[in-house]
Amino acid sequence: GAGVSQSPRYKVAKRGQDVALRCDPISGHVSLFWYQQALGQGPEFLTYFQNEAQLDKSGLPSDRFFAERPEGSVSTLKIQRTQQEDSAVYLCASSVRGGTDYNEQFFGPGTRLTVL
Amino acid sequence: GESVGLHLPTLSVQEGDNSIINCAYSNSASDYFIWYKQESGKGPQFIIDIRSNMDKRQGQRVTVLLNKTVKHLSLQIAATQPGDSAVYFCAEKRKAAGNKLTFGGGTRVLVKP
Repeated sequence: GAGVSQSPRYKVAKRGQDVALRCDPISGHVSLFWYQQALGQGPEFLTYFQNEAQLDKSGLPSDRFFAERPEGSVSTLKIQRTQQEDSAVYLCASSVRGGTDYNEQFFGPGTRLTVL
Repeated sequence: GESVGLHLPTLSVQEGDNSIINCAYSNSASDYFIWYKQESGKGPQFIIDIRSNMDKRQGQRVTVLLNKTVKHLSLQIAATQPGDSAVYFCAEKRKAAGNKLTFGGGTRVLVKP
C-alpha cells in the first residue's frame, strides 16, 4: 500500500481481555515505532524496532504490553489483561532508515482501543 | 460528563488570515523539531521540520521559527483555509534518544468561513 496501515481501526475489549493490534509499515521501511495517544493529548512513545530488532522499549507502561516484528515488516502490539487506563489510540509509524539520524516518520491512522 | 484532556488550547482564525501556533520545549539537547497536523480520526501528518542549528525554515504556506534562547517554536500558516482546521502538535527528536519523538500537548485550530 501507499502508506502505513493499521488494523483493526476500532477495538472494544472487556477489562481483562487480551488484544492484538497490527501495523503494516510502508514497504521497505527499516524503522517502526509504536505510540500511545490518550484523548486530547499528544502521542507518547512506546517502543521502536529497527528491522526485527526491538531496540527501545522504554515507553511500554507495564509488562502487560508486548510488541514484536518477527520478519522485519509487519508488527503486532499485544496488550494482556487490558485495563480501563489502556483505552487510547495506538499509532504506528515507520521511517525509511534506521540508526539515530533523523528521518521523517509516517504515521498510520491508528487503532482506537476502548476497554470497558 | 467531560473528559480530562479534551481542553486543548484553541486558536480561532478567520479564513484567509494568517495563523501562528506556538510551542515551548524544555530539552536543549534536541536536534530536530517537527510540526504535525492531525485531523479527527487520522494519524499525525508531517508538515515541516527544522534542524536545531537553524532559526527559520519555509515550506508551502508554512514557516517554522525556532528561538533557542527562550526554547520556543512556532508555526505560521499563511492564508489559512478551512482544510487547515485540525490539531497541531510540535515534536522534538532528542539527540541521545535515537529517533523517537517527544510530542507537545497540541493546539486546535478552527478556521471560520
